[in-house]
Amino acid sequence: QKEVEQDPGPLSVPEGAIVSLNCTYSNSAFQYFMWYRQYSRKGPELLMYTYSSGNKEDGRFTAQVDKSSKYISLFIRDSQPSDSATYLCAMSLGDYKLSFGAGTTVTVRA
Amino acid sequence: EAQVTQNPRYLITVTGKKLTVTCSQNMNHEYMSWYRQDPGLGLRQIYYSMNVEVTDKGDVPEGYKVSRKEKRNFPLILESPSPNQTSLYFCASSAPGRTGPEKLFFGSGTQLSVL
Repeated sequence: QKEVEQDPGPLSVPEGAIVSLNCTYSNSAFQYFMWYRQYSRKGPELLMYTYSSGNKEDGRFTAQVDKSSKYISLFIRDSQPSDSATYLCAMSLGDYKLSFGAGTTVTVRA
Repeated sequence: EAQVTQNPRYLITVTGKKLTVTCSQNMNHEYMSWYRQDPGLGLRQIYYSMNVEVTDKGDVPEGYKVSRKEKRNFPLILESPSPNQTSLYFCASSAPGRTGPEKLFFGSGTQLSVL
């Protein structure tokens, strides 16, 4: 069993829809939970992070962590074609050894 | 501009022919790392370095070597490449010692094909 599970999709939504992405994990010791965004032919870039259960908002993006269920989510409101990318969840014990999900490819149709 | 630079972007080689992928960062970061990205498997760490002359194995180090002689450079060496090392490789750097999670800065990737 992988330490971090993420549905690879792909996911295709119309512009303006809400995109919902999620990951599950098995290691209850993870402290930090991150979402990276990767555009085609580019390296990943950090989108959001959180270190506690609950919600964190940043503009159209909301990251949610449920440590009791070992489940994290990323929601994108009012999705735009520029949001088309692969989204990777990542988790860390705080020791610089990140565990990444496989990534979910999202396409937002204009 | 703050960046992590990898070269080359694309590389096709044959089994057994030694190669080096270079990585350089201009942010004075102490931490550097190499990942490979394969479909369905996500990013897996190959090697990392917490500082000059300090390197350690990640999750998939077999068949790879690294060195950290200077703070800005962290080359990845494949002494005898094999077809199962065909992959997309990323170099990343970060600045440890700060509170919060590790914000990795990634290069643009090197697509390696071993025939």
